[in-house]
Amino acid sequence: EAGVVQSPRYKIIEKKQPVAFWCNPISGHNTLYWYLQNLGQGPELLIRYENEEAVDDSQLPKDRFSAERLKGVDSTLKIQPAELGDSAVYLCASSLRGTGGNTQYFGPGTRLTVL
Amino acid sequence: SQQGEEDPQALSIQEGENATMNCSYKTSINNLQWYRQNSGRGLVHLILIRSNEREKHSGRLRVTLDTSKKSSSLLITASRAADTASYFCATETSGTYKYIFGTGTRLKVLA
Repeated sequence: EAGVVQSPRYKIIEKKQPVAFWCNPISGHNTLYWYLQNLGQGPELLIRYENEEAVDDSQLPKDRFSAERLKGVDSTLKIQPAELGDSAVYLCASSLRGTGGNTQYFGPGTRLTVL
Repeated sequence: SQQGEEDPQALSIQEGENATMNCSYKTSINNLQWYRQNSGRGLVHLILIRSNEREKHSGRLRVTLDTSKKSSSLLITASRAADTASYFCATETSGTYKYIFGTGTRLKVLA
């Protein structure tokens, strides 16, 4: 079974440019998470989807960040415009709600560098 | 955002020794999970312990949970060079499906 797929793996952009990250969760997983991970830190939740509904986006900087999960499968996270402080690894994870404990399966992440 | 505290921040041991890392958290939880992250890669789930459990084992891993102290420990026995990674605890806040990750312990196992 394929794991969580993310693309691109690396992205280098100049500040004020837009950028988008894509995530394909494990087949059948109805819950999808986007996390931000700074160097030497643990992941911090940006947004959580249950199917196509964003049920927790309290930590998403909505002035520049947006996300969507059309049809409750793939998801895209966008930053526009990017700032220097957005340089980080963006992780996508998925889980099957209701299995008891919501084990999250993580993708390899997208490492964003903003110059 | 709030994160759990893990200690030590970094740990270096010889192959074959045991490694213990600790996690403290702030809120009531449904469960606590431990994840491993190899350099530059995604996180891999290791073990889950529910709030009504006190100890759990999985292979060379032993996890304890003390909800009265809001703390957990992860013990890796007979460590191997391949165990070199960062280890994170993640707590699921009671009444939610929200996970809060700790700051991580960077373990280095020397061959």
